[in-house]
Amino acid sequence: GAGVSQSPSNKVTEKGKDVELRCDPISGHTALYWYRQSLGQGLEFLIYFQGNSAPDKSGLPSDRFSAERTGGSVSTLTIQRTQQEDSAVYLCASSFVQASGNTIYFGEGSWLTVV
Amino acid sequence: KQEVTQIPAALSVPEGENLVLNCSFTDSAIYNLQWFRQDPGKGLTSLLLIQSSQREQTSGRLNASLDKSSGRSTLYIAASQPGDSATYLCAVRPVDSSYKLIFGSGTRLLVRP
Repeated sequence: GAGVSQSPSNKVTEKGKDVELRCDPISGHTALYWYRQSLGQGLEFLIYFQGNSAPDKSGLPSDRFSAERTGGSVSTLTIQRTQQEDSAVYLCASSFVQASGNTIYFGEGSWLTVV
Repeated sequence: KQEVTQIPAALSVPEGENLVLNCSFTDSAIYNLQWFRQDPGKGLTSLLLIQSSQREQTSGRLNASLDKSSGRSTLYIAASQPGDSATYLCAVRPVDSSYKLIFGSGTRLLVRP
């Protein structure tokens, strides 16, 4: 596609429910990243994929958070038993191979509200 | 630990002014620095990427400079327009964890007509 595509763009869920957020990176980009932006906070790194592998999961806030990537393309971020503090914008980004010189391109984000 | 700071946090200027946004970082061991723009309710749009070996990059009315040794970058916007109103974020790519961008908290810019 022309850009990084994320869905849903907005999600309101009840506390305790599970949610899945989807990211479709730019075609040909092998590196994929998830970040979180909470209200009034900066962007927080969550996880990075190179192909289907996630070398660094240390940014995931708790074991309720997980992510996978299949076929070297689409990625899904899953939040189980959502809590109100999970309310944030979840931003996905992609780049050509995880190389130091490459520009990272972000999607429009999935805006999650836990009520 | 790498920390990125942006000053000022907010800026309001009349249309037509030239302006400078500042970004500083504590560890000079970076591969590059990237400036982004974020409109309300939207994702991040990449504006300029400066490699650690470069001193500046230009795109239209935007010019970004990098002084790696002093840990500073500036984003210069010439002849500002109301459409430039947005939050501007800078982010560095550290050498020791090059897959991870470290972001500043942003400068919220308002250009008044």
